[in-house]
Amino acid sequence: KAGVTQTPRYLIKTRGQQVTLSCSPISGHRSVSWYQQTPGQGLQFLFEYFSETQRNKGNFPGRFSGRQFSNSRSEMNVSTLELGDSALYLCASSLATGFSGANVLTFGAGSRLTVL
Amino acid sequence: QKEVEQNSGPLSVPEGAIASLNCTYSDRGSQSFFWYRQYSGKSPELIMSIYSNGDKEDGRFTAQLNKASQYVSLLIRDSQPSDSATYLCAVNANSKLTFGKGITLSVRP
Repeated sequence: KAGVTQTPRYLIKTRGQQVTLSCSPISGHRSVSWYQQTPGQGLQFLFEYFSETQRNKGNFPGRFSGRQFSNSRSEMNVSTLELGDSALYLCASSLATGFSGANVLTFGAGSRLTVL
Repeated sequence: QKEVEQNSGPLSVPEGAIASLNCTYSDRGSQSFFWYRQYSGKSPELIMSIYSNGDKEDGRFTAQLNKASQYVSLLIRDSQPSDSATYLCAVNANSKLTFGKGITLSVRP
């Protein structure tokens, strides 16, 4: 069974540019969550999508957005990049929204974004 | 108060010792609790989940949950150098999984 696939794995952008990251969840998983990981702040929740609808959102500015397609694949977009956006962006999928029992979060390898 | 707090670490133990990792959370409505392990340069992987008060054992790992005191801990028995990693506590409240900043464990051969 294929895991969570994130593309691209590494990318370098300059301030002011925008970036789009892609995530393909485990087959059958309908919930996709996005996290930003930095050494100082750890793993911070960005948003969660379930059945193409945003179910939860973290405390990030509006420059961070996402969407989910009918096949459960998800993209996140960061516009007007800032130096502080440099981070590892992790996508995770689960069977459904809410986390208990067999419904746990499985992470992809991440997309490492460097903003110059 | 941060939603999920872990000891700042790092934690260093000799091979064969018991490593004790602690985590506290602020939301009394939290329903499920997880421990993830993250090796350097890798993504987090789930090692334990616990949903009710008490202990849950899986091999060398034991998760402990005390909802009244709002803490969850992870014990690693017979620690091995391969256990050296960052351990992340995660708490589910209102269908949102919130992570602590993690604690780095180093097991000395």
